Amino acid sequence: DAGITQSPRHKVTETGTPVTLRCHQTENHRYMYWYRQDPGHGLRLIHYSYGVKDTDKGEVSDGYSVSRSKTEDFLLTLESATSSQTSVYFCAISDARRANYGYTFGSGTRLTVV
Amino acid sequence: QQQVKQSPQSLIVQKGGISIINCAYENTAFDYFPWYQQFPGKGPALLIAIRPDVSEKKEGRFTISFNKSAKQFSLHIMDSQPGDSATYFCAARLDTDKLIFGTGTRLQVFP
Repeated sequence: DAGITQSPRHKVTETGTPVTLRCHQTENHRYMYWYRQDPGHGLRLIHYSYGVKDTDKGEVSDGYSVSRSKTEDFLLTLESATSSQTSVYFCAISDARRANYGYTFGSGTRLTVV
Repeated sequence: QQQVKQSPQSLIVQKGGISIINCAYENTAFDYFPWYQQFPGKGPALLIAIRPDVSEKKEGRFTISFNKSAKQFSLHIMDSQPGDSATYFCAARLDTDKLIFGTGTRLQVFP
């Protein structure tokens, strides 16, 4: 989607290795989010950020860490990948100042942990 | 209490029919209820949204019905088309900046 890009789009990694996913936005939005999508679970919030260096945990944060050193970049790191972290990861941005705001999602990263 | 329960998990509708997806919540602090549409290989995209002080919102063939007292809201797709085949997520906003999503409904519209 315009204004938000995720990289890589696909990744296969081995159990126990660290993995970093990148989300980049050109909209200058304050809020950024990482979700994972799994069948039967919908979209679950991993971590989110409400500004540079300001981050907080979501409902499924164990095993994940994030960093936001610039407004435009939000990194998600799997510290030691496990098979349960095989999923599709989506980044989203929002401008909460808008009266009827909504999230804009990236196209996702499909991660397979073998 | 932060959950949003969505049903059905999957839905098959004939072209021209009405598709109905339901969601329920418990937390009265939710203040905004959007619906997202997702096509295979893509990220979810905002479809339509409603605030709890409104009972219905219509945009083209898509309508949200909201029942505040029952803590339920639903998406109606009138004159369903094969191009509507997608996964639909309801969501509810908490704390001005967090969306809690339902588990999704896979809609298939057959010609």
